[in-house]
Amino acid sequence: DAKTTQPTSMDCAEGRAANLPCNHSTISGNEYVYWYRQIHSQGPQYIIHGLKNNETNEMASLIITEDRKSSTLILPHATLRDTAVYYCIVSFNAGGTSYGKLTFGQGTILTVHP
Amino acid sequence: EAQVTQNPRYLITVTGKKLTVTCSQNMNHEYMSWYRQDPGLGLRQIYYSMNVEVTDKGDVPEGYKVSRKEKRNFPLILESPSPNQTSLYFCASLPAARAYGTEAFFGQGTRLTVV
Repeated sequence: DAKTTQPTSMDCAEGRAANLPCNHSTISGNEYVYWYRQIHSQGPQYIIHGLKNNETNEMASLIITEDRKSSTLILPHATLRDTAVYYCIVSFNAGGTSYGKLTFGQGTILTVHP
Repeated sequence: EAQVTQNPRYLITVTGKKLTVTCSQNMNHEYMSWYRQDPGLGLRQIYYSMNVEVTDKGDVPEGYKVSRKEKRNFPLILESPSPNQTSLYFCASLPAARAYGTEAFFGQGTRLTVV
């Protein structure tokens, strides 16, 4: 699975958009970009995933560059409850290996402040 | 609502006293797995199951057992817990190990303390 690089931490003001970048320069053609988040000590939560096109759901938007070497997760109106660790993973399936193992890196600690 | 349910959420036990952490999913997923999460070590896979009656070791299986008699349930068994098994445990499920473009579902977590 391709490796990803994310900033260690980011801050965002409540109500503003949070833009979380991820670099994945070694992504292969059949690998998806997945985003999960983990709010303190809770189970990781799936946010969104995409292959080539930009994606949007009720939680977030995912912007993937044309060369697919990087992406940005956008939380359009961040709230205090969005404070969490955000993980970017590239894989063909759910973010895991061919045996389904999910491997999260260090992620980005997003702090939303009032 | 699609979900993975773990019980209990919190557990304090003594060394050597057998315990079981239950995990149940309502999505008819084939694949289920257990992870433990420790500070600075991230998520580490303990055991996984590709389907009913098919289980295999993950990266840190020592001291744990699992069973998969039904598709929806995947209990984690600690026959003789030790303090080094104090951790935060998560159960996860996928439609299948190699299902393209699918998402993983996690339980709420079980915080286990062994004294």
